[in-house]
Amino acid sequence: GDSVTQMEGPVTLSEEAFLTINCTYTATGYPSLFWYVQYPGEGLQLLLKATKADDKGSNKGFEATYRKETTSFHLEKGSVQVSDSAVYFCALWKAAGNKLTFGGGTRVLVKP
Amino acid sequence: DARVTQTPRDKVTEMGQEVTMRCQPILGHNTVFWYRQTMMQGLELLAYFRNRAPLDDSGMPKDRFSAEMPDATLATLKIQPSEPRDSAVYFCASGSSGTSEQFFGPGTRLTVL
Repeated sequence: GDSVTQMEGPVTLSEEAFLTINCTYTATGYPSLFWYVQYPGEGLQLLLKATKADDKGSNKGFEATYRKETTSFHLEKGSVQVSDSAVYFCALWKAAGNKLTFGGGTRVLVKP
Repeated sequence: DARVTQTPRDKVTEMGQEVTMRCQPILGHNTVFWYRQTMMQGLELLAYFRNRAPLDDSGMPKDRFSAEMPDATLATLKIQPSEPRDSAVYFCASGSSGTSEQFFGPGTRLTVL
């Protein structure tokens, strides 16, 4: 079945550091790929998405590129802020089934 | 701005008691999802509805869990009887069929003593 694997956390960074969270997937067909973010005490929010190979999703300074050849969708941000402290989830979606498959989540803590 | 709402936000109960969690999806959305989040298991899909009909509840323990949509504005998740291992945060999400984005509610934190 489909699956998403992302790096385990926690990831602890200093403010203005570069952030990378690795995500790889296993799926048949042509899934869409997502990053969701969960701030403390809240539900998940869509951060960015990419629907086909080589698409780049971006939002709030975060970027991720859909790499079909490596089945990856790594999340990056060039300069993190304390407010980026959250749990980040990589996910895939296929129209058949209309369900999201989530990775295990990566907790990021940014220190001032 | 349209949001998914969930009640209660926090629930503490004793083992064996019935628990009902409610969700109001975003008006106009026709798909509703129930998820459970724990430290050990991460996010698990429990049930999925489209146009109020259950399409997939394979992730839900059938003996004690039930999910329904009495109408388009209300989804419920019931646990009877509750057990300590049910302690988790339960999220509801809604969306439109054929589109990928799901909008999550703030969750219900359940503690079963």
